[in-house]
Amino acid sequence: AQSVTQLGSHVSVSEGALVLLRCNYSSSVPPYLFWYVQYPNQGLQLLLKYTSAATLVKGINGFEAEFKKSETSFHLTKPSAHMSDAAEYFCAVSDRTGSARQLTFGSGTQLTVLP
Amino acid sequence: IAGITQAPTSQILAAGRRMTLRCTQDMRHNAMYWYRQDLGLGLRLIHYSNTAGTTGKGEVPDGYSVSRANTDDFPLTLASAVPSQTSVYFCASSPRTSGGVTDTQYFGPGTRLTVL
Repeated sequence: AQSVTQLGSHVSVSEGALVLLRCNYSSSVPPYLFWYVQYPNQGLQLLLKYTSAATLVKGINGFEAEFKKSETSFHLTKPSAHMSDAAEYFCAVSDRTGSARQLTFGSGTQLTVLP
Repeated sequence: IAGITQAPTSQILAAGRRMTLRCTQDMRHNAMYWYRQDLGLGLRLIHYSNTAGTTGKGEVPDGYSVSRANTDDFPLTLASAVPSQTSVYFCASSPRTSGGVTDTQYFGPGTRLTVL
């Protein structure tokens, strides 16, 4: 079984400040890990993914995430927040061995960027 | 523009009615998925299809059915809608390559369904 926990359902940062969104996973096998972003009234868009190559993964819009096996974490960061980053962010884990290759999502973190 | 389309965009439905949510993709992806999104619960998988002609149950399949007659279409049917099925429904697809599996899922814009 696999699961994802996102710490903090709401995070607020000032424009220009560091963004840190936390994600911890549980998986019985080496996972694939993903971050998706959802803007209001839209579907989810892939930000970045970890598939066992480099542990530091760079994504779109200046976001990156680091896979830390010892901490079972995959936190999302961005050095300087922009107003356009305001959205909901979802961490997800995929079981590499399951026939469905299903994604299990966290409950999401709503990011607010303050001017 | 290639991608996933969903219809309708939104719907208000009386309890007990039958409803089919449509999903079409033009990326020739093998796998397709249906999720529901509820506040505080993230996205939960309802049904999936690894390839045309096959389907499987996800985390919350009760009250829903799917079919996959061809690669492009993956309709979701609520046989007799209940208020607890009020949600936003997202269809997704993925290439599902073997060996170097990508597993990236691409999402449609969603259908907002209200059951009264």
